Amino acid sequence: EPEVTQTPSHQVTQMGQEVILRCVPISNHLYFYWYRQILGQKVEFLVSFYNNEISEKSEIFDDQFSVERPDGSNFTLKIRSTKLEDSAMYFCASSGPRAEETQYFGPGTRLLVL
Amino acid sequence: SQQGEEDPQALSIQEGENATMNCSYKTSINNLQWYRQNSGRGLVHLILIRSNEREKHSGRLRVTLDTSKKSSSLLITASRAADTASYFCATDTNDYKLSFGAGTTVTVRA
Repeated sequence: EPEVTQTPSHQVTQMGQEVILRCVPISNHLYFYWYRQILGQKVEFLVSFYNNEISEKSEIFDDQFSVERPDGSNFTLKIRSTKLEDSAMYFCASSGPRAEETQYFGPGTRLLVL
Repeated sequence: SQQGEEDPQALSIQEGENATMNCSYKTSINNLQWYRQNSGRGLVHLILIRSNEREKHSGRLRVTLDTSKKSSSLLITASRAADTASYFCATDTNDYKLSFGAGTTVTVRA
């Protein structure tokens, strides 16, 4: 069964450093998402992406965040200058071909900012 | 805000028993999705129920949706130790995002 994959599974970084989290969505999906879950808290929406542009973003997704689909398979989340409060599990998800389909989540990347 | 809220926060049952958890939300939805998360792991999709559906089954799972009450329930029948996890409802209001509740933590005792 097709699945969403994410790399790395864990990342430790120093405050102020840039990180790139990578995702490979399910191949025939057209909608892509990033969510995050701070330890012990709810899963929070960050951004959705369709047709090579951002469809929706939350207030969390400020100028420090960016997303990109550099080729036909990868979908990345970049945090330019990490803060301590960026420590969380980051989930990539994909759905499609219609927006109202099931969102399938990857296993997550656990980011720890020191 | 458009968020699902689960009830109860935690549930402890004996293996073989049924587990029921509820989700309430605030505004109209396109669909509602239930997910399972094992401790510290990824989100596994369980069921999607659309706003024009009232009940859906998948194996030992039964989901109901009452749009007039803005609520949904997830029933796990004949629970197993492997069902121990956190269960989340997530609402889709057709704005390209899911809004998650805080989840129900289910512990199934052997």
